[in-house]
Amino acid sequence: NAGVTQTPKFQVLKTGQSMTLQCAQDMNHNSMYWYRQDPGMGLRLIYYSASEGTTDKGEVPNGYNVSRLNKREFSLRLESAAPSQTSVYFCASSQAGGVQPQHFGDGTRLSIL
Amino acid sequence: DAKTTQPTSMDCAEGRAANLPCNHSTISGNEYVYWYRQIHSQGPQYIIHGLKNNETNEMASLIITEDRKSSTLILPHATLRDTAVYYCTSTDSWGKLQFGAGTQVVVTP
Repeated sequence: NAGVTQTPKFQVLKTGQSMTLQCAQDMNHNSMYWYRQDPGMGLRLIYYSASEGTTDKGEVPNGYNVSRLNKREFSLRLESAAPSQTSVYFCASSQAGGVQPQHFGDGTRLSIL
Repeated sequence: DAKTTQPTSMDCAEGRAANLPCNHSTISGNEYVYWYRQIHSQGPQYIIHGLKNNETNEMASLIITEDRKSSTLILPHATLRDTAVYYCTSTDSWGKLQFGAGTQVVVTP
């Protein structure tokens, strides 16, 4: 049982390049989330998807777009990468919003030069 | 802004109980308190959650004050593998977590 799988694990981009971070879960969870974590800080929510077919902005959505491709997959896209988006990105899923614990992937470490 | 505040760091001796405090005086009555931990740079790992009552599972115990303004996570017998950053968070009805900077716990032999 893989849980939440994120690809790639590492990536280096140049300013202005675009990229899509992939996330897939095999737990039949309804809700999925994207967070970013900057050095020495806690996680901040970028976007979330309460259920298949819906997406909503979190705390720091600017510069990102998301797609809930199906129940399993939730992707995060950077259309024009900026150095300020250098961070570790975590995807998470939960059975449903509210009181259900979130299960996190191992993260994508993204550097933008 | 995060609705929880925690000490920046704390040390604990191996085999002893670790008591991690958290203040959450501004969370609303229907918001749960969650605890996660993050070992090295791995993804956060769920530990426990609660609303009003004290909770216990195989990993830890959660003690919530009657006024819900603060809580304490208890690791009953800390091991070296418990060295991590511990996050006390709250969640709204959509499950959105609000993380602060957490407490760096170092368990020493």
